[in-house]
Amino acid sequence: GENVEQHPSTLSVQEGDSAVIKCTYSDSASNYFPWYKQELGKRPQLIIDIRSNVGEKKDQRIAVTLNKTAKHFSLHITETQPEDSAVYFCAAANSGNTPLVFGKGTRLSVIA
Amino acid sequence: IAGITQAPTSQILAAGRRMTLRCTQDMRHNAMYWYRQDLGLGLRLIHYSNTAGTTGKGEVPDGYSVSRANTDDFPLTLASAVPSQTSVYFCASSAQSSGANVLTFGAGSRLTVL
Repeated sequence: GENVEQHPSTLSVQEGDSAVIKCTYSDSASNYFPWYKQELGKRPQLIIDIRSNVGEKKDQRIAVTLNKTAKHFSLHITETQPEDSAVYFCAAANSGNTPLVFGKGTRLSVIA
Repeated sequence: IAGITQAPTSQILAAGRRMTLRCTQDMRHNAMYWYRQDLGLGLRLIHYSNTAGTTGKGEVPDGYSVSRANTDDFPLTLASAVPSQTSVYFCASSAQSSGANVLTFGAGSRLTVL
């Protein structure tokens, strides 16, 4: 089955700097790669996702890149703000009836 | 308000007791999931259901059971709770059974087994 590795487990950045979180996956059949954000005490919520037919997707300060050959994808947050502090989870799945597999999460702290 | 409702929000339970965590969605989503979240281990899938009447095992199914009698409800039962089942449990749903769909999560149920 699919295995998703996520790095780093913790990340601290200064406000205004960029943050990058990286994930690798094992199943070459995976074609859907979402990112979820979980604020302290809250539920995970989707912030951006990418499908295998594109290499990059942007939404304001957030971007995700995908390298299918290397089987890795990354989340990029630019101009970080204190409200970006949260745990971020990457995940992978294919179009079949197999549920999403999540990485172990990255705790991002943005220091004002 | 459309979404997923979980109950209870929090529960302390003696080891060996039976416990059912409830999950109800009103979005008519086909697929539903139960995850447990433990520090450093992320979100691990316990059981899932692609459609009413069917269930499947996830990564950590032992000690848990589920049923999907209808579209809206997906209860998770711990037949005889053990301390290692202390965790935060999230129910989630998606419109279609394919893994390549957005998950909507409930607010979570914090369970402590003593």
